[in-house]
Amino acid sequence: QVQLQESGPGLVKPSETLSLSCSVSGGPINNYYWSWIRQPPGKGLEWIGYIYSSGSTNYSPSLKSRVTLSVDTSKNQFSLKLRSVTAADTAEYYCARVAVGTYWHFDLWGRGTLVTVSS
Amino acid sequence: DIQMTQSPSSLSASVGDRVTITCRASQSIASYLNWYQQKPGKAPKLLIYAASSLQSGVPSRFSGSGSGTDFTLTISSLQPEDFATYYCQQSYSIPYTFGQGTKLEIK
Repeated sequence: QVQLQESGPGLVKPSETLSLSCSVSGGPINNYYWSWIRQPPGKGLEWIGYIYSSGSTNYSPSLKSRVTLSVDTSKNQFSLKLRSVTAADTAEYYCARVAVGTYWHFDLWGRGTLVTVSS
Repeated sequence: DIQMTQSPSSLSASVGDRVTITCRASQSIASYLNWYQQKPGKAPKLLIYAASSLQSGVPSRFSGSGSGTDFTLTISSLQPEDFATYYCQQSYSIPYTFGQGTKLEIK
């Protein structure tokens, strides 16, 4: 079955760029929407943005100035870059598949990866 | 942004109980409402989409209802594996937003 796996550094220094990848296995990345969602320790969920396999994107306005999503269909993976990070960006980062149609929802999630912003 | 407010924030219940969690949107979102279950240290899992559609593989004791601004998630008979945190999420407009969560604990 389709599985998602996040990867990337677990520690990022303040003001630097957080970079994560999500590998999709067991199924195609093409013709799907893919999303990133984060969760600060002990807190709720925040949607970051989504990307279609063609590369079109949509971002949360609160993060739009610092976020870039990209996709590499040849590697069956998509990526997140978050610039100028602060301690407030410390969170568990999840990648997820977006089930589309009339009602969009996140039907498949990666296990998550904890990113800590600290010097 | 559409604000999603869940109540209660926490709930204690016993195995076999019927439990209802409420989610209210700050504006009408028709049926663009999803429910997720999250266990400690795990990723969220989709339970219900489009307010009342049961995700494949999810036990039938879970059900969702509502439209417009008021929604409910009901667990008809609590099982030990149901003790978790539940989140609602709207997909009516960008940015997609989640409720603050309802933690369901064992009484």
